[in-house]
Amino acid sequence: KAGVTQTPRYLIKTRGQQVTLSCSPISGHRSVSWYQQTPGQGLQFLFEYFSETQRNKGNFPGRFSGRQFSNSRSEMNVSTLELGDSALYLCASSGGGGFTYEQYFGPGTRLTVT
Amino acid sequence: SQELEQSPQSLIVQEGKNLTINCTSSKTLYGLYWYKQKYGEGLIFLMMLQKGGEEKSHEKITAKLDEKKQQSSLHITASQPSHAGIYLCGAGGATNKLIFGTGTLLAVQP
Repeated sequence: KAGVTQTPRYLIKTRGQQVTLSCSPISGHRSVSWYQQTPGQGLQFLFEYFSETQRNKGNFPGRFSGRQFSNSRSEMNVSTLELGDSALYLCASSGGGGFTYEQYFGPGTRLTVT
Repeated sequence: SQELEQSPQSLIVQEGKNLTINCTSSKTLYGLYWYKQKYGEGLIFLMMLQKGGEEKSHEKITAKLDEKKQQSSLHITASQPSHAGIYLCGAGGATNKLIFGTGTLLAVQP
């Protein structure tokens, strides 16, 4: 079974621009979660989508948004980029919710904002 | 809100030595994930522990969950250079919203 894939793997953007990241979950998984990882804050939960609906949300500003398609693929968008948005963005897929299901992570997208 | 504290923050061991990493929660643990990360890469799933007293092993890595102590431990037997990386514990309760510890950086010297 193919693992979680994320595209692109690396991205350089300028402050003020917007960016869209993509995540394809493991086949059959319906939950996709997004995380931001920075040296200062560590791994922080952004949001989770399940069956095309946002099910959980972290404490990030409205510039961070996401969506999920009927095939479970998910995208996250960051508008009006700030230097502090430079981070590794990770997505995780799961077959369901909570500890009945294991969560598997993708390789991440490294976003650099200049 | 729940916080996870990992100890030690970093660890250097000689190849072949055993080691233990601890993850302590500020609230009751209903389950716990262990992941390994190479710098700048994604998280590799190691184990998921679902109930107190549970112990799981995979190759030379064993993890235990002590619900009463609100703690989990990860033990590596006969460490190898391939074990080097950052070990992260994560907890989430009934949802997929995981809170992660700050990580333990492991270096294994040949």
